[in-house]
Amino acid sequence: DQQVKQNSPSLSVQEGRISILNCDYTNSMFDYFLWYKKYPAEGPTFLISISSIKDKNEDGRFTVFLNKSAKHLSLHIVPSQPGDSAVYFCAASENSGNTPLVFGKGTRLSVIA
Amino acid sequence: GAVVSQHPSRVICKSGTSVKIECRSLDFQATTMFWYRQFPKQSLMLMATSNEGSKATYEQGVEKDKFLINHASLTLSTLTVTSAHPEDSSFYICSALRGNTGELFFGEGSRLTVL
Repeated sequence: DQQVKQNSPSLSVQEGRISILNCDYTNSMFDYFLWYKKYPAEGPTFLISISSIKDKNEDGRFTVFLNKSAKHLSLHIVPSQPGDSAVYFCAASENSGNTPLVFGKGTRLSVIA
Repeated sequence: GAVVSQHPSRVICKSGTSVKIECRSLDFQATTMFWYRQFPKQSLMLMATSNEGSKATYEQGVEKDKFLINHASLTLSTLTVTSAHPEDSSFYICSALRGNTGELFFGEGSRLTVL
């Protein structure tokens, strides 16, 4: 059973608009969440993280929101740029990051100029 | 769905010994696999990119003689930590790239503890 789910395999957004990528989890013990960005033929690179003691973390154009009661987190990219086109992975772990990360299957974002 | 399996999931070894970790794609062929190290409370650090039939490409700062990577078949890549020391203790995670779709799948991680 998948513990981390990204239900949208793909998303297309116009340049300049907001991109919202969603992630749901089932394990209530998860308390540390991360987003990774992956370009073709490269490994994923770390984007932003959030601890369960927060409900929002912002870094430039990227903001991650965490709704613990709904077991849901989202990544907002504002404004979206063509260079943001990539696959985005949501990951989670327990014990403040002291267990192996569990990944979702990824969402492919296409930002159209 | 596609599955990537790592073995062993946990290993404890003595300082100075070598440890091999396997990463297998169970139902697809992976021409490219990635190896990462996860430090406590930190994100993943990409160690190397493993391509089937050729030498691995290591990230800057990763000792290729210490972390030997072999990708001998389209479904198996191995990471050998040679002459392990306590500071090598970590989670090691692999991922496999499904060639025909470009999807990336992650293994469950292997916890190495060096005494």
